[in-house]
Amino acid sequence: QKEVEQDPGPLSVPEGAIVSLNCTYSNSAFQYFMWYRQYSRKGPELLMYTYSSGNKEDGRFTAQVDKSSKYISLFIRDSQPSDSATYLCAMSERQGGSEKLVFGKGTKLTVNP
Amino acid sequence: DAMVIQNPRYQVTQFGKPVTLSCSQTLNHNVMYWYQQKSSQAPKLLFHYYDKDFNNEADTPDNFQSRRPNTSFCFLDIRSPGLGDAAMYLCATSIGEETQYFGPGTRLLVL
Repeated sequence: QKEVEQDPGPLSVPEGAIVSLNCTYSNSAFQYFMWYRQYSRKGPELLMYTYSSGNKEDGRFTAQVDKSSKYISLFIRDSQPSDSATYLCAMSERQGGSEKLVFGKGTKLTVNP
Repeated sequence: DAMVIQNPRYQVTQFGKPVTLSCSQTLNHNVMYWYQQKSSQAPKLLFHYYDKDFNNEADTPDNFQSRRPNTSFCFLDIRSPGLGDAAMYLCATSIGEETQYFGPGTRLLVL
């Protein structure tokens, strides 16, 4: 079983739809959870960062962490064509003074006008 | 704006010909990372520097080396690139264990 599982999609939705992206993980030592957005041929851009279980909201984006189920989600409300990108979940333990990120494979999202 | 810069953005090299990729940062972060990302795959950590201390991942091939001459710059050297080394190479930085910030990446093509 891989440490982080993420459905690669692709996921295609109409503009204005609510998008739900999910990852599951097996390592209970993970403490920090992140969502990165990666446009084609660009580097990952940090979208959301959470530490504890629960919800964190930033504009149209909500990150949700359920440590008991080892499950994290990213919700995008009122999706826009500019949200079309690959979304990578990432998590870490943060040992030894630096951070080793473990990524999911990414979900490719297309928002159609 | 403070940022992570990677040069070149696109690099073409020949099979077996050494190549160096460059990363610089204006964030004054003490940790710098190099990742390899192949098409439709997750970024894979190759190694990182915590200040001047080099940390190699156990499964990083010997073909990959890195140098960090100062806080701002870090280089990835591929001594003898093979066709399987064609990928996007991503540099990231952080302050200690804090969140990593990525550069735009260098796409390497091996002919």
